[in-house]
Amino acid sequence: DQQVKQNSPSLSVQEGRISILNCDYTNSMFDYFLWYKKYPAEGPTFLISISSIKDKNEDGRFTVFLNKSAKHLSLHIVPSQPGDSAVYFCAASAAGNKLTFGGGTRVLVKP
Amino acid sequence: DAGITQSPRYKITETGRQVTLMCHQTWSHSYMFWYRQDLGHGLRLIYYSAAADITDKGEVPDGYVVSRSKTENFPLTLESATRSQTSVYFCATTGTGGVWNEQFFGPGTRLTVL
Repeated sequence: DQQVKQNSPSLSVQEGRISILNCDYTNSMFDYFLWYKKYPAEGPTFLISISSIKDKNEDGRFTVFLNKSAKHLSLHIVPSQPGDSAVYFCAASAAGNKLTFGGGTRVLVKP
Repeated sequence: DAGITQSPRYKITETGRQVTLMCHQTWSHSYMFWYRQDLGHGLRLIYYSAAADITDKGEVPDGYVVSRSKTENFPLTLESATRSQTSVYFCATTGTGGVWNEQFFGPGTRLTVL
């Protein structure tokens, strides 16, 4: 049973608009959440993270929101750029334990 | 200075054969990890290592063996490959204060078992 789920396998957005990627989790012990970005034929690269003591973390065009009561986090990319076209994985950890990844969301940003 | 490398990048083998995937890092990071990526499952942890000669199982360890005699190398061996082990394999390291936080991934090995 997947503890971290990304229910949208793909997302298409116009350049300059907002991309919103969603991630749900079931394990209430998760206390740290991360987003990774992956281009084809490359390994994932770290994008942004958030601790459970926060509800928002921002880094340039990327913002992650955490709603602990709903066990939900989202990644906002504003404005979206063609170079953002990639697969995005959310991941979670509990008290320094292993990372559990979601299934990924493929984002296509159209020029 | 490549940081973290994996070899081979592509491998085709047959059921029952032994296969070893190599991972090498130049950062002297303590922790190293092996993941497999399958459609719909994201990345699943196979094995990890906290230091040389210290390894532990992850989520999907069956059918795999690891060793770590040197800090910089973390080979993954499929002792008798099965078709279900067809996947893309990623090695990763972390050297940050949070062990399970930001990890640095290699480029991956695409393994096909016929």
